[in-house]
Amino acid sequence: NAGVMQNPRHLVRRRGQEARLRCSPMKGHSHVYWYRQLPEEGLKFMVYLQKENIIDESGMPKERFSAEFPKEGPSILRIQQVVRGDSAAYFCASSPGQPTTEAFFGQGTRLTVV
Amino acid sequence: GEDVEQSLFLSVREGDSSVINCTYTDSSSTYLYWYKQEPGAGLQLLTYIFSNMDMKQDQRLTVLLNKKDKHLSLRIADTQTGDSAIYFCAEEGSYIPTFGRGTSLIVHP
Repeated sequence: NAGVMQNPRHLVRRRGQEARLRCSPMKGHSHVYWYRQLPEEGLKFMVYLQKENIIDESGMPKERFSAEFPKEGPSILRIQQVVRGDSAAYFCASSPGQPTTEAFFGQGTRLTVV
Repeated sequence: GEDVEQSLFLSVREGDSSVINCTYTDSSSTYLYWYKQEPGAGLQLLTYIFSNMDMKQDQRLTVLLNKKDKHLSLRIADTQTGDSAIYFCAEEGSYIPTFGRGTSLIVHP
């Protein structure tokens, strides 16, 4: 049973480009969480999704950021028109349900905006 | 609002015990977690404690919870160089874990 898979591990984008981050949850997990870790800071919650539904997006910036978790395929975090301040590590976690005592994290995608 | 506070750094000598402390504000927290993050890696769940417990022990790890003071601690016995990492405290009151900024544990010989 593979763990939570995130790709790419490293992503470099120029200002104004789009970044697409993928997260494949563990087998049997239908809940996905995205977190952002800025340099020297803790993890900040962004969005919580279940299959085909956004449950809580209270941590998502209002503009340029979107997330989806389709019926088939990985969860996608999409950042449009990236700016330097978007440079961070983005972590995905998945769990089979609530509470998240069985949540597992991926290794993260490190986005660098140049 | 929810807030989780941790000291940023802890330095210990190999073989000593490490104690990492955390305070939280959400009195409705049902689960409290400790995660470990090694350089360049994701977060690994070390242990968690349910809010009706005072203590949980798992090999070298001991978690203490003082619910009245909203204080959580992680004690690592016989700390090794491989324990050097960032340790995150997290609380889950609603359904989304809220993380502290992490404590960097440095173990020196």
